[in-house]
Amino acid sequence: KAGVTQTPRYLIKTRGQQVTLSCSPISGHRSVSWYQQTPGQGLQFLFEYFSETQRNKGNFPGRFSGRQFSNSRSEMNVSTLELGDSALYLCASSLGAGLTGELFFGEGSRLTVL
Amino acid sequence: DAKTTQPPSMDCAEGRAANLPCNHSTISGNEYVYWYRQIHSQGPQYIIHGLKNNETNEMASLIITEDRKSSTLILPHATLRDTAVYYCIVRVARGNNRLAFGKGNQVVVIP
Repeated sequence: KAGVTQTPRYLIKTRGQQVTLSCSPISGHRSVSWYQQTPGQGLQFLFEYFSETQRNKGNFPGRFSGRQFSNSRSEMNVSTLELGDSALYLCASSLGAGLTGELFFGEGSRLTVL
Repeated sequence: DAKTTQPPSMDCAEGRAANLPCNHSTISGNEYVYWYRQIHSQGPQYIIHGLKNNETNEMASLIITEDRKSSTLILPHATLRDTAVYYCIVRVARGNNRLAFGKGNQVVVIP
């Protein structure tokens, strides 16, 4: 079956702009979580959604937001981009929130902020 | 989640078994051991997880010591495509998906 699909794979933005990233989970998976990965900070948790509800949120400013649709697809948005937002943004899906730690990751969206 | 300790890097020979150690001396009774790997510029890939008993799947085997304070991931026949950063994580199976990776173990498979 198809894996987790993230779009776009690569994008370049300038400071002050906003960006929307999309994630389509594995069919049947209802939980989607987002992560930011940078060389200096490693993998950091952004937020987790289950059945269109945000269940957990990491320690990121309000510029980072997300949502989940009824078909379990999810989007995350970053407004007023800063240079430090350059990172690989990863989406992971699982069958259900808290049912298993077995997460399946997408290939990521690599954001460069100039 | 309990903290884990892995060597920062290791080399292994192609075709041989690769044994990747992980220490988790503060693991709690309800915490599982999970292994993921990340090949350069790709998303992390789930490998295997276990609680007490040894586990095996098509990718690897997981050996957990009787006191559960350490474990070993075994790649039975390492290939060049197994070169990746391997992450050992300890966490409860029922909870949130707030995953946290440490520095991991950079494994290089040498021809």
